[in-house]
Amino acid sequence: QSVLTQPPSASGTPGQRVTISCSGSRSNIGSNPVNWYQQLPGTAPKLLIYNNDQRPSGVPDRFSGSKSGTSASLAISGLQSEDEADYYCAAWEDSLVFGGGTQLTVL
Amino acid sequence: EVQLVESGGGLVKPGGSLRLSCAASGLIFSNAWMSWFRQAPGKGLEWVGRIKSKNDGGATEYAAPAKGRFTISRDDSENTLYLQMNSLKTEDTAVYYCTTDWPSHGGSWGQGTLVTVSS
Repeated sequence: QSVLTQPPSASGTPGQRVTISCSGSRSNIGSNPVNWYQQLPGTAPKLLIYNNDQRPSGVPDRFSGSKSGTSASLAISGLQSEDEADYYCAAWEDSLVFGGGTQLTVL
Repeated sequence: EVQLVESGGGLVKPGGSLRLSCAASGLIFSNAWMSWFRQAPGKGLEWVGRIKSKNDGGATEYAAPAKGRFTISRDDSENTLYLQMNSLKTEDTAVYYCTTDWPSHGGSWGQGTLVTVSS
């Protein structure tokens, strides 16, 4: 059972905007910044969003993050087929804790 | 460009030990905080632990499953990160990833090395 809660799956059509939620508690998301990771099929994960809403260099601005209270969201606008991947949220709580991951399907 | 290359994975029996290495390039390794993550087959991501730079004290922190069994160390002269794993259990079977902690936890990732704990 993961400390953070994500929906197991999400889907959208090309060009659509999709959001993935991540729910935690006061001791993790409520007190610390949230990161999001993208894992394309068969590859290593990649940092997608850090400090709630910051994009590392090279990450397209189609990806955005937000946080409110004990929840966070990842939004992907202009959905593309190459966005099909697993997405994980994480936050610090004595150690780095994760959501169970959301498998995004581009229909 | 940061490059991280893990090695040392393989098959080990329950109760055994294994040492993973991570060769780093493209960064000032001695200034970098480094972490290990793992991912069991078909499962999600899990943070194993991290080591701070010597300039920042060099302290290590571990997730609960790793405490007392795993040790993270670094050799800044060789730009290499290590993960010594003792008293291995079947539930430690996973791909282990070495990462930088810049700009945040899991900033850059290696390709991973598979550890299988089985009799």
